[in-house]
Amino acid sequence: AQSVAQPEDQVNVAEGNPLTVKCTYSVSGNPYLFWYVQYPNRGLQFLLKYITGDNLVKGSYGFEAEFNKSQTSFHLKKPSALVSDSALYFCAVRDGTGGSYIPTFGRGTSLIVHP
Amino acid sequence: EAQVTQNPRYLITVTGKKLTVTCSQNMNHEYMSWYRQDPGLGLRQIYYSMNVEVTDKGDVPEGYKVSRKEKRNFPLILESPSPNQTSLYFCASSYGGRNEQFFGPGTRLTVL
Repeated sequence: AQSVAQPEDQVNVAEGNPLTVKCTYSVSGNPYLFWYVQYPNRGLQFLLKYITGDNLVKGSYGFEAEFNKSQTSFHLKKPSALVSDSALYFCAVRDGTGGSYIPTFGRGTSLIVHP
Repeated sequence: EAQVTQNPRYLITVTGKKLTVTCSQNMNHEYMSWYRQDPGLGLRQIYYSMNVEVTDKGDVPEGYKVSRKEKRNFPLILESPSPNQTSLYFCASSYGGRNEQFFGPGTRLTVL
């Protein structure tokens, strides 16, 4: 079975400060990891993914994430937060080894960036 | 413009009245799926399809049906809706099952 945990329901950060949104996962095989962002009244938008290769993944809007196999984590980061980054963020995992096409999403983390 | 469209965007109905939510994508994606989003539960997959005439259950398929007669369309059918199916529904598509998904704008369904 696979699972994803986003331990924080909400993250508050001041504009211009670095931000981190945490994600840990559990899969029996190789993890395919994704981050999505959801703005109010919109569908989810893809930010970045890790399938294989470099542990540091760069994505859209200046976001990046680091795959840490030993800690089974895939935290989302950005060096300098913008008010417009305020949104709901979802981490997702799929087992890339077993052939399952069912991704598991975390419960989401609400990011609030204060001016 | 590459996109996934869903209709209707909002729907209020009553228990037992059959309904269909349509989903269409213009990116020639093989993989399509349906999710429901509930507060505190994140997104849960209902059904997915790897290609035309190939569908399979996700995590929460009970009470739902799907069909994939054309590559671009993947309708979600609720034969007899119940109040516990009140939710926000998303359709998504991707190139294969391993890649990032493109999501539709969502359909907010209320079953009274």
